[in-house]
Amino acid sequence: DGGITQSPKYLFRKEGQNVTLSCEQNLNHDAMYWYRQDPGQGLRLIYYSQIVNDFQKGDIAEGYSVSREKKESFPLTVTSAQKNPTAFYLCATRDRGNQPQHFGDGTRLSIL
Amino acid sequence: ILNVEQSPQSLHVQEGDSTNFTCSFPSSNFYALHWYRWETAKSPEALFVMTLNGDEKKKGRISATLNTKEGYSYLYIKGSQPEDSATYLCAWYNNNDMRFGAGTRLTVKP
Repeated sequence: DGGITQSPKYLFRKEGQNVTLSCEQNLNHDAMYWYRQDPGQGLRLIYYSQIVNDFQKGDIAEGYSVSREKKESFPLTVTSAQKNPTAFYLCATRDRGNQPQHFGDGTRLSIL
Repeated sequence: ILNVEQSPQSLHVQEGDSTNFTCSFPSSNFYALHWYRWETAKSPEALFVMTLNGDEKKKGRISATLNTKEGYSYLYIKGSQPEDSATYLCAWYNNNDMRFGAGTRLTVKP
């Protein structure tokens, strides 16, 4: 079954804690993206990666980190430096050329 | 600042009404505009990929137009049905990254 798997669906973070959101894809897409959605706002780009071992900051990268060691995986770490982490996080992939993005089901992160 | 604006923010229509909403985007460095439909509790799904000025795309009762020179796209829904209720997102693409609008939330009442 092809697609994008994000886990967990819900995540709670304690003060000062780093947490990692998982994004796995079996679509063989080169590009992967992480977005954050806050109420009443559009999707804001955190980080993206066009190829393995390479990634670029998006508009709101501060307080986040990523890695792209495998084509299939693009985990996002929300660090303690991110002071307002409560949001809905979406992972997406895109094939080459002018193709639309494919999205996972998202992870909702809350502060304990 | 590269802004993608969508209007209205939300829309309530009766079943059978036709409706439309707008996506405004930077007209410079245009590469593509994508429309997505995002139903509650699901992930966004692509509706249209539009690249050329004057493009018109259609899928069933939903259609879209594109004006790259003035930087806007319209999405039309003819004879709205309750199952059309969703948030409709547009995304401007400049071959390097995408910028999404905040979406138009459509509610179709039976």
